[in-house]
Amino acid sequence: DQQVKQNSPSLSVQEGRISILNCDYTNSMFDYFLWYKKYPAEGPTFLISISSIKDKNEDGRFTVFLNKSAKHLSLHIVPSQPGDSAVYFCAATTTLYNFNKFYFGSGTKLNVKP
Amino acid sequence: DSGVTQTPKHLITATGQRVTLRCSPRSGDLSVYWYQQSLDQGLQFLIQYYNGEERAKGNILERFSAQQFPDLHSELNLSSLELGDSALYFCASSVYSGDTTDTQYFGPGTRLTVL
Repeated sequence: DQQVKQNSPSLSVQEGRISILNCDYTNSMFDYFLWYKKYPAEGPTFLISISSIKDKNEDGRFTVFLNKSAKHLSLHIVPSQPGDSAVYFCAATTTLYNFNKFYFGSGTKLNVKP
Repeated sequence: DSGVTQTPKHLITATGQRVTLRCSPRSGDLSVYWYQQSLDQGLQFLIQYYNGEERAKGNILERFSAQQFPDLHSELNLSSLELGDSALYFCASSVYSGDTTDTQYFGPGTRLTVL
């Protein structure tokens, strides 16, 4: 039962353009969402997060948008750079309890072409 | 470098065997998480320990067990190994101040191959 889904296994974007990575979730209890970036042979690295009380969170070139009614979040990278080429995972959890499981999507491999 | 260390980096073993994966969290982090990433799959949460006690459990098989020691390092034990257990196993740690939103820092992973 996959509660967090990333339906695009890969995405290719030209350097300087916008990259948009999408993520859908099914559990309405989720109220905290994260994006992680993963390079080969390394563990995932936290990128950006958003709480369900917001619909947008920005950090430099990275913006995460949350659409609670559609149970959808997206990560925008503007402008995309070759160093952004990596696998991006979205994750979700509920903050209702002190100790909670985190649910991850299967990842989207982003390739930014120079 | 996240500050989380995992050993070994690679492990090749046979079906039916037992292995132990080790994780040392970042200095000061009290919480340790274990994840499994099978081929083309997302990270599956296995289990969380906080200051030596189990706190959250995912879809961890009964053949798998974990513990966190007084020095806060953690071990994941996998027994009666099957081909399908071949995966990347990640450990993560967080300071855990009572806030579920504490950032998790991931180690580089242990790649387990079961032949």
